[in-house]
Amino acid sequence: GAVVSQHPSRVICKSGTSVKIECRSLDFQATTMFWYRQFPKQSLMLMATSNEGSKATYEQGVEKDKFLINHASLTLSTLTVTSAHPEDSSFYICSASGLAAQGTQYFGPGTRLLVL
Amino acid sequence: KQEVTQIPAALSVPEGENLVLNCSFTDSAIYNLQWFRQDPGKGLTSLLLIQSSQREQTSGRLNASLDKSSGRSTLYIAASQPGDSATYLCAVMRDSSYKLIFGSGTRLLVRP
Repeated sequence: GAVVSQHPSRVICKSGTSVKIECRSLDFQATTMFWYRQFPKQSLMLMATSNEGSKATYEQGVEKDKFLINHASLTLSTLTVTSAHPEDSSFYICSASGLAAQGTQYFGPGTRLLVL
Repeated sequence: KQEVTQIPAALSVPEGENLVLNCSFTDSAIYNLQWFRQDPGKGLTSLLLIQSSQREQTSGRLNASLDKSSGRSTLYIAASQPGDSATYLCAVMRDSSYKLIFGSGTRLLVRP
């Protein structure tokens, strides 16, 4: 199956700093990428959908100015958590889908964010 | 609004048992349904995908069924092994937008 990578896998930062997480599709063109957040022992919650070259569409309750998403190419999307606070600590997972995927999303390994 | 529920939340079984995980959804108008496996601190691995026109899918010891009219899906694991221990998530795709709505998962422990 298709491979999606995330970087970094784990990040610890101080409150107030910004953190950028990268999501890459390694062997296919991802026309759409999704960003999810998962709190401990909870399920994945969709944060936003990004289409290459377009502005991201955010789910209700997700602050677009706090979670900046860029999908500048068919293989890369980035999520920037601006002015991170302890409550932003979570597991962030991206997924990617392309025209050939026929409804399948391929998930990255996730990024663990801890804000002190 | 589509809601996805998984029962049980946790399950512990001895090795070798056959088991069934349940998933229910409130809106039967779905595009497809997927079962995923998630190991602790890791991403998701897709196990089975059932299109809305299909009734079941099989892969090795796994069999997933879909009953759209009743809003239910089951994941059957035959002859469970300790390596099957993980959290199993079901997710429905509501339309061709590719958005997935996840259940809360079932944490499975298979004891040697």
